[in-house]
Amino acid sequence: DTGVSQDPRHKITKRGQNVTFRCDPISEHNRLYWYRQTLGQGPEFLTYFQNEAQLEKSRLLSDRFSAERPKGSFSTLEIQRTEQGDSAMYLCASSLTATYEQYFGPGTRLTVT
Amino acid sequence: GQQVMQIPQYQHVQEGEDFTTYCNSSTTLSNIQWYKQRPGGHPVFLIQLVKSGEVKKQKRLTFQFGEAKKNSSLHITATQTTDVGTYFCAGIGLGGYQKVTFGTGTKLQVIP
Repeated sequence: DTGVSQDPRHKITKRGQNVTFRCDPISEHNRLYWYRQTLGQGPEFLTYFQNEAQLEKSRLLSDRFSAERPKGSFSTLEIQRTEQGDSAMYLCASSLTATYEQYFGPGTRLTVT
Repeated sequence: GQQVMQIPQYQHVQEGEDFTTYCNSSTTLSNIQWYKQRPGGHPVFLIQLVKSGEVKKQKRLTFQFGEAKKNSSLHITATQTTDVGTYFCAGIGLGGYQKVTFGTGTKLQVIP
């Protein structure tokens, strides 16, 4: 197993455009998390899945953000009508269950110009 | 909602000195995890504490979970330059969906 992978690693987009990121978790992991991290801050929770079910979504997340995990395998995070404030590192992590360690992917760095 | 704070935010130490970071949750936790993030890297799991009052050691690192399961600490003895990075605690809430909340982090700089 090669760990958690994310694609793309970097994305530059113009304000107002839509972007989609992909995360491939460790294959046997049931839980999948999305976080956003800005410079000097800790990972900020966005949403998470238990298999294909999206269990919680941060109240900080606007309706422009949506995530899916069809068939409980890979996940996508879409941001519609991007704003400059969306510029950040988007991290994906997976774990076996809630109480097991999370394995993080390398992240997707988004720059909105 | 569940909030997890860490102090200090930054710490500069001379190589060989000790270092401690403290983590405090606004709510009682089920478990607490610690992660280390090197500059330019992603968080890497260090350890998980489950029991009230639990103490675990990993070489020069000592982790403690408070009796009330609302606070935790990480102590590094005789820091080395390889210890440089940001240390995050992550609290796992009780019941429900067991939400994971990361702390604000402590950035450690070690001066050789």
